[in-house]
Amino acid sequence: TQLLEQSPQFLSIQEGENLTVYCNSSSVFSSLQWYRQEPGEGPVLLVTVVTGGEVKKLKRLTFQFGDARKDSSLHITAAQPGDTGLYLCAGGSGYSTLTFGKGTMLLVSP
Amino acid sequence: NAGVTQTPKFRVLKTGQSMTLLCAQDMNHEYMYWYRQDPGMGLRLIHYSVGEGTTAKGEVPDGYNVSRLKKQNFLLGLESAAPSQTSVYFCASSYSPDSYYGYTFGSGTRLTVV
Repeated sequence: TQLLEQSPQFLSIQEGENLTVYCNSSSVFSSLQWYRQEPGEGPVLLVTVVTGGEVKKLKRLTFQFGDARKDSSLHITAAQPGDTGLYLCAGGSGYSTLTFGKGTMLLVSP
Repeated sequence: NAGVTQTPKFRVLKTGQSMTLLCAQDMNHEYMYWYRQDPGMGLRLIHYSVGEGTTAKGEVPDGYNVSRLKKQNFLLGLESAAPSQTSVYFCASSYSPDSYYGYTFGSGTRLTVV
């Protein structure tokens, strides 16, 4: 069974701070996705990374896929209250359904 | 842009009652999924479908049944609701099980079983 461990589970910061959340596994994934879920809504895809070492930027969000394709990180620069939400990583491995981590709950206070 | 639509949004059931959760997608996706989300447990896959007329069990299938008679619809049934089935249920769809374009989720159904 493939597992994805996310850390930290909860993060509370002030507006303007930087942060990094992590997604780790002992298994190799062919792709890694990050989703953000706002209260009362379903998760929404932010990015997909497929190549070991790949870095993608989405405005103030930077996503990295580990060289061995077993881990990923999400870095947010100058966090804003609108970044508040549950961040989920999900690993793909070909023909099976995605494996989801349990998520990191981020709270950004003004 | 409808995407994935779930009905109802909220429901309270008494133990032993039955109900069906409806999911509809307008993106012509082959794959559809039902998840439940509980605090500290993350998203857990209940059942999924790889195409019209086919379904498969996920991680936590007990107590649930599903049907996919039409490509755009995926129904989740609870035959005899139990308090342990109190949860938020999400339907999702995708082109493939590990699609580069990800899963499109509905906005969820909050179910309480008393």
